[in-house]
Amino acid sequence: QKEVEQNSGPLSVPEGAIASLNCTYSDRGSQSFFWYRQYSGKSPELIMSIYSNGDKEDGRFTAQLNKASQYVSLLIRDSQPSDSATYLCAVTTSYGKLTFGQGTILTVHP
Amino acid sequence: AAGVIQSPRHLIKEKRETATLKCYPIPRHDTVYWYQQGPGQDPQFLISFYEKMQSDKGSIPDRFSAQQFSDYHSELNMSSLELGDSALYFCASSGGETYNEQFFGPGTRLTVL
Repeated sequence: QKEVEQNSGPLSVPEGAIASLNCTYSDRGSQSFFWYRQYSGKSPELIMSIYSNGDKEDGRFTAQLNKASQYVSLLIRDSQPSDSATYLCAVTTSYGKLTFGQGTILTVHP
Repeated sequence: AAGVIQSPRHLIKEKRETATLKCYPIPRHDTVYWYQQGPGQDPQFLISFYEKMQSDKGSIPDRFSAQQFSDYHSELNMSSLELGDSALYFCASSGGETYNEQFFGPGTRLTVL
């Protein structure tokens, strides 16, 4: 079992809808949680970081963290075709290395 | 804003050859991480450096070595290349006020023939 698991994809949503991406992690010592967006053949781009329980909003993106349930999620409101990409959930422990989930491919269709 | 710089962007080598990948972190970032991403895979952590000292080590083969220099740039040296080393190699850096956040460079695509 991977240390970080993401909900199985691919995920397809219509333009303007809400896309919901989920992630669970196994190490209770995980301290920092991130969502990266990766277009095919490109590098991961940091879109959200969250460190404490609750919600964090940044524009159309909302990250949610529940440490008791070891669960992280990302909501993308008003999804656009340009949001179509692979979304990677990543967690770190105290040493800083990122452990990634397998990624969820999101397609936003017009 | 300045980003992480990696060179070369593409590299083609033969089996058993050596390769050197370079990474220039964002200015004032003191920590560098190296990741390997195979086709259809998520990035896997290789090694990291903080203030020119190795800070953590992951699934890096013994054929690979890395270091961080006094100007904080880092180099990943890969010897006795194998077909399975073909992958995207990313460098990420962190530091400053957003210390926990890692920002990735554009990557080096290594092809071993």
